[in-house]
Amino acid sequence: NAGVTQTPKFRILKIGQSMTLQCTQDMNHNYMYWYRQDPGMGLKLIYYSVGAGITDKGEVPNGYNVSRSTTEDFPLRLELAAPSQTSVYFCASSYSRTGSNYGYTFGSGTRLTVV
Amino acid sequence: GENVEQHPSTLSVQEGDSAVIKCTYSDSASNYFPWYKQELGKGPQLIIDIRSNVGEKKDQRIAVTLNKTAKHFSLHITETQPEDSAVYFCGPGGGADGLTFGKGTHLIIQP
Repeated sequence: NAGVTQTPKFRILKIGQSMTLQCTQDMNHNYMYWYRQDPGMGLKLIYYSVGAGITDKGEVPNGYNVSRSTTEDFPLRLELAAPSQTSVYFCASSYSRTGSNYGYTFGSGTRLTVV
Repeated sequence: GENVEQHPSTLSVQEGDSAVIKCTYSDSASNYFPWYKQELGKGPQLIIDIRSNVGEKKDQRIAVTLNKTAKHFSLHITETQPEDSAVYFCGPGGGADGLTFGKGTHLIIQP
């Protein structure tokens, strides 16, 4: 049982480039999330999904896009990368919206640097 | 939306002593209060949680207490060990709004 798998683990992008951060979960969770974590700033929600075909903006969605074509996959797309998007990105999934059953399961993160 | 404050931002304790981290929230509708632990290079992991109809919950060396009137809840770790060194996040929430995480507390266990 792999849980939440994120790829790549590390990436360096040049300003203006684009990339997709991949996220896959094998727990059949309906809810999936993308967070970014900056030093001393905690976890900020970028986008979330309550099921296949349904996505919604979180606190900091600008510069990002998501899609949810299957229950398992929730890729995060960065268009026109900017230095402000340098961060560690975490994907998570849960059985319920608050994770009150078994918590949120987080991936191990993608460390992205934009230069 | 929910406004969450977590204190302290850094906490250094001697091994074997106790540690307490406090989380204050603003939304009186919040009814679920979890604590997550993040070890270096990993994603956060749920370690303990409490619901609004309970005042305290304990799991071995860790406990969470809730004061719903004052809108705060705390994480208590007793007999701290080196493996307790990590960043801890509170994340109150409820209903359709999900969780709002605090900025984290870096707990350092001094040998």
